[in-house]
Amino acid sequence: RKEVEQDPGPFNVPEGATVAFNCTYSNSASQSFFWYRQDCRKEPKLLMSVYSSGNEDGRFTAQLNRASQYISLLIRDSKLSDSATYLCVVKGGGSNYKLTFGKGTLLTVNP
Amino acid sequence: EAGVTQFPSHSVIEKGQTVTLRCDPISGHDNLYWYRRVMGKEIKFLLHFVKESKQDESGMPNNRFLAERTGGTYSTLKVQPAELEDSGVYFCASSHLTFMGGYTFGSGTRLTVV
Repeated sequence: RKEVEQDPGPFNVPEGATVAFNCTYSNSASQSFFWYRQDCRKEPKLLMSVYSSGNEDGRFTAQLNRASQYISLLIRDSKLSDSATYLCVVKGGGSNYKLTFGKGTLLTVNP
Repeated sequence: EAGVTQFPSHSVIEKGQTVTLRCDPISGHDNLYWYRRVMGKEIKFLLHFVKESKQDESGMPNNRFLAERTGGTYSTLKVQPAELEDSGVYFCASSHLTFMGGYTFGSGTRLTVV
């Protein structure tokens, strides 16, 4: 079983749509959780951290369920500029700074 | 502040040759990491430096890969001799010692071994 698994995608949605990404992780000792965004042929960039209580940043909402080892990202009112690959990323605890990436889900927002 | 800089951005070498990738982290970032994305696979951890010391090199594929960070500033990743399966994008990232602010990734080096 992969350490971090994501919806394989790709997702093609019209502008204005709501889209949800799902992710599960296998290591119950994981402590920190993130969504990164990666544009074509660019580096990954942090989109948002994910907290147990859930958190929102504008049109983006992230949720974490530690019991189910499940992470989600919801994008509302999607824009053309949201087109990218979304990476679910998990970090160990304490001094373990290693990030474990999911394979990513490609989102294309169409006009 | 300047970001993480990687050089070269692209490299095409023949199987059996040697290639050295360089990473300049953000000034003041003691943590430096190397990651790699092979085509069709997820981004995978290679190793982690704290200043000049290797904290975790559990992701290094084999002894053809050698990473150094002399003086705790820039880092190099040497592949010798390169094999076809080494092709991919090599990302460097850096962070503060306490991980505050998270990682910043460089734009990567795209390595093609032919």
